[in-house]
Amino acid sequence: QVQLVQSGAEVKKPGSSVKVSCKASGGTFSSYAISWVRQAPGQGLEWMGRIIPILGIANYAQKFQGRVTITADKSTSTAYMELSSLRSEDTAVYYCARDSPGPYSSGWNYWGQGTLVTVSS
Amino acid sequence: DVVMTQSPLSLPVTLGQPASISCRSSQSLVHSDGNTYLNWFQQRPGQSPRRLIYKVSNRDSGVPDRFSGSGSGTDFTLKISRVEAEDVGVYYCMQGTHWPSITFGQGTRLEIK
Repeated sequence: QVQLVQSGAEVKKPGSSVKVSCKASGGTFSSYAISWVRQAPGQGLEWMGRIIPILGIANYAQKFQGRVTITADKSTSTAYMELSSLRSEDTAVYYCARDSPGPYSSGWNYWGQGTLVTVSS
Repeated sequence: DVVMTQSPLSLPVTLGQPASISCRSSQSLVHSDGNTYLNWFQQRPGQSPRRLIYKVSNRDSGVPDRFSGSGSGTDFTLKISRVEAEDVGVYYCMQGTHWPSITFGQGTRLEIK
């Protein structure tokens, strides 16, 4: 059974960075991609980017280009999402989700439990 | 970016009655590989999203058959044949065709009347 387990909640100051982890078990980590999706309080879903671990190639939504870095460690089956220059609008639940590696997305049938990141002075 | 527009945004439904959510895209969602990557998600209160339907009409494992998806091109629909109490939540459509720009609809909140 595929499981994605994310790191715990974070509280950060404006201007700082946060790094959220997503550890996968079950299935072959390197055969898939990992996407990151966030959801601000009371708001909808927003895709941030994706990495294909076997290739180490990441793609990012234009909105987050230059501010987000997604990486993966194949040896520990863990993906990471680092968001820099945090502002209050980045307060959200951040989800990782297992994706297919092609130039398209059928969405995600495995999700992490979500990590709440609160940005506050 | 491709804009996904859902309607209605709020959907009060009587238990046992059908429900329908529309999702329209600003561009065709037919991919160069011939597939249409229009997907539907359900998010129950306090839970992570769950995919219900992928590529327009394919139901995920474990999804009740009262859920169905249809449509083509730019116009898509999620239907629930008979709403049950466990269906309360927010429903999102999402396009994965125009890679790497994945976009969602605004969400439709389904509640029981």
